[in-house]
Amino acid sequence: KAGVTQTPRYLIKTRGQQVTLSCSPISGHRSVSWYQQTPGQGLQFLFEYFSETQRNKGNFPGRFSGRQFSNSRSEMNVSTLELGDSALYLCASSVTGLNEKLFFGSGTQLSVL
Amino acid sequence: DQQVKQNSPSLSVQEGRISILNCDYTNSMFDYFLWYKKYPAEGPTFLISISSIKDKNEDGRFTVFLNKSAKHLSLHIVPSQPGDSAVYFCAARRNNNDMRFGAGTRLTVKP
Repeated sequence: KAGVTQTPRYLIKTRGQQVTLSCSPISGHRSVSWYQQTPGQGLQFLFEYFSETQRNKGNFPGRFSGRQFSNSRSEMNVSTLELGDSALYLCASSVTGLNEKLFFGSGTQLSVL
Repeated sequence: DQQVKQNSPSLSVQEGRISILNCDYTNSMFDYFLWYKKYPAEGPTFLISISSIKDKNEDGRFTVFLNKSAKHLSLHIVPSQPGDSAVYFCAARRNNNDMRFGAGTRLTVKP
């Protein structure tokens, strides 16, 4: 069974630009959640999608948004990038949601210059 | 607000000895706790979990202890092996609608 796939692996953007990250969950998994990892802050929960609907949301500004498609693939978008958005963005999938162990992708390393 | 805290950024242990990683939380509504392990350039992988109705869960060399009154959990690895060297994250979940992670502890097991 293929694991969680995130693309691209690395991304370099400049301030003010916008970026879209992609996540393909494990086949059969309907829940996709997104996390931001920065040194010293650990993993911070961004949001969770289930059956194309945002079900849960963390404490991030509206510049961070996402969506989920009918095949459960998910995208995360960050608009008006700031230097502080530089981080590793991880997505995770599970069958039904945050009530079970999550399977993580390898992440997208975003650098904002 | 950091509701899940791992106060030790790093830990170094000799091979064969016990590794104890600690985690504190502030929200008494958390009902499920998990530990994840992360190697460089890879996503975190699930290690072990414990429900708030239990105080101990064991899986091979890994044991998680939960002390609800102290809002503290710990992960014990016995015996520690060099392959256990990684960053360990504890996570806490509340009612299936929120997942909080600690900042992580980098474990180094020396041969």
